[in-house]
Amino acid sequence: AQKVTQAQTEISVVEKEDVTLDCVYETRDTTYYLFWYKQPPSGELVFLIRRNSFDEQNEISGRYSWNFQKSTSSFNFTITASQVVDSAVYFCALRALIQGAQKLVFGQGTRLTINP
Amino acid sequence: EAQVTQNPRYLITVTGKKLTVTCSQNMNHEYMSWYRQDPGLGLRQIYYSMNVEVTDKGDVPEGYKVSRKEKRNFPLILESPSPNQTSLYFCASSSPHRGRANTEAFFGQGTRLTVV
Repeated sequence: AQKVTQAQTEISVVEKEDVTLDCVYETRDTTYYLFWYKQPPSGELVFLIRRNSFDEQNEISGRYSWNFQKSTSSFNFTITASQVVDSAVYFCALRALIQGAQKLVFGQGTRLTINP
Repeated sequence: EAQVTQNPRYLITVTGKKLTVTCSQNMNHEYMSWYRQDPGLGLRQIYYSMNVEVTDKGDVPEGYKVSRKEKRNFPLILESPSPNQTSLYFCASSSPHRGRANTEAFFGQGTRLTVV
């Protein structure tokens, strides 16, 4: 079975602090893809990053960085020097090809609040 | 501009009154799906379609119908809505490369449905 767990339901930090959002996944597939999406208060889902199961290189994009570790089945997301505009709900998702069909499974989401 | 368009964005209806939420994409994507988002549960897949005239149930299909008569459109139909279908709904599309699940899903803006 495919499953994504985001254990942190809500996180609140003060602006400029670093914050890490945890994501743990379960899958039996050897080929899979991991995603992070951001959902700002306006409600739309914004794609942030995609990672495939064969690429464990960490990625940095500005203040955002992602740490993918297959050994612990984790794909954590860190925001450095957080800003109020980072306040949103963040979803981690797993996609695998199951019996010829794509299945995209989401975690429960982490609500991040950045206080000024 | 590449996009997935859902209509309406907001809808309040009464129990039992049939409704349709439309979804259209302009990216020529084969794969389309519907999700509902509920607090604490993340996004759960309702139905998906791998191509025209090919649809299948997701994780929470009860009370919903879909159709895929043309590639760009994937409407979600609630024949007899009930209050437990009050939720935020998202349509998504993607184009698998050679059948692999390696592309991110493009999401519509969401439809907030309230059934009273």
